[in-house]
Amino acid sequence: AQKVTQAQTEISVVEKEDVTLDCVYETRDTTYYLFWYKQPPSGELVFLIRRNSFDEQNEISGRYSWNFQKSTSSFNFTITASQVVDSAVYFCALMNSGGYQKVTFGIGTKLQVIP
Amino acid sequence: GAVVSQHPSWVICKSGTSVKIECRSLDFQATTMFWYRQFPKQSLMLMATSNEGSKATYEQGVEKDKFLINHASLTLSTLTVTSAHPEDSSFYICSARVTSNQPQHFGDGTRLSIL
Repeated sequence: AQKVTQAQTEISVVEKEDVTLDCVYETRDTTYYLFWYKQPPSGELVFLIRRNSFDEQNEISGRYSWNFQKSTSSFNFTITASQVVDSAVYFCALMNSGGYQKVTFGIGTKLQVIP
Repeated sequence: GAVVSQHPSWVICKSGTSVKIECRSLDFQATTMFWYRQFPKQSLMLMATSNEGSKATYEQGVEKDKFLINHASLTLSTLTVTSAHPEDSSFYICSARVTSNQPQHFGDGTRLSIL
């Protein structure tokens, strides 16, 4: 069974602060994919990143960075110098690579950036 | 690229009516489309997976006769909520992907309110 845990349900930070959103996953598969999505108040889901289980290299995209640690089954997301526009719910998701390829979403972390 | 359009974005209708929601991949051909349901402040729950030209695969607990899914072409899938009741009120969101192991790209969602 697959499981994604986002222990932080809500986080509030002041603008320009850095913030890390935690994601811990469980899977029996050796090959899998991890994702982060952003859901702003308008409701649409925006794809941010995909990482496969064989690639533990950390990634940076502008103010966003991701830390994938297979040893701790974690895929954390850091926003540097947060901005008000970053306020949204962020979902971490896991997909197995074979067969059905069902995506399991975490419950989401609501991030509020205060000006 | 990878734009998914969902229509309508908001529906309010009387109990007992049927509602059709369309999901279109605008700039790619989607072999697989997914339908999710999201209750307020909760994560996305997969309802069904549809592959073009074949019957949808429903998740446990989702009524096939209640939520009719048609994926007649590589760019269009529809979800029809038949004889809708107030408990069907929710945010329905579709996603599409080109091939396996690729990220899902989401539509903007449909807010369904049944009076």
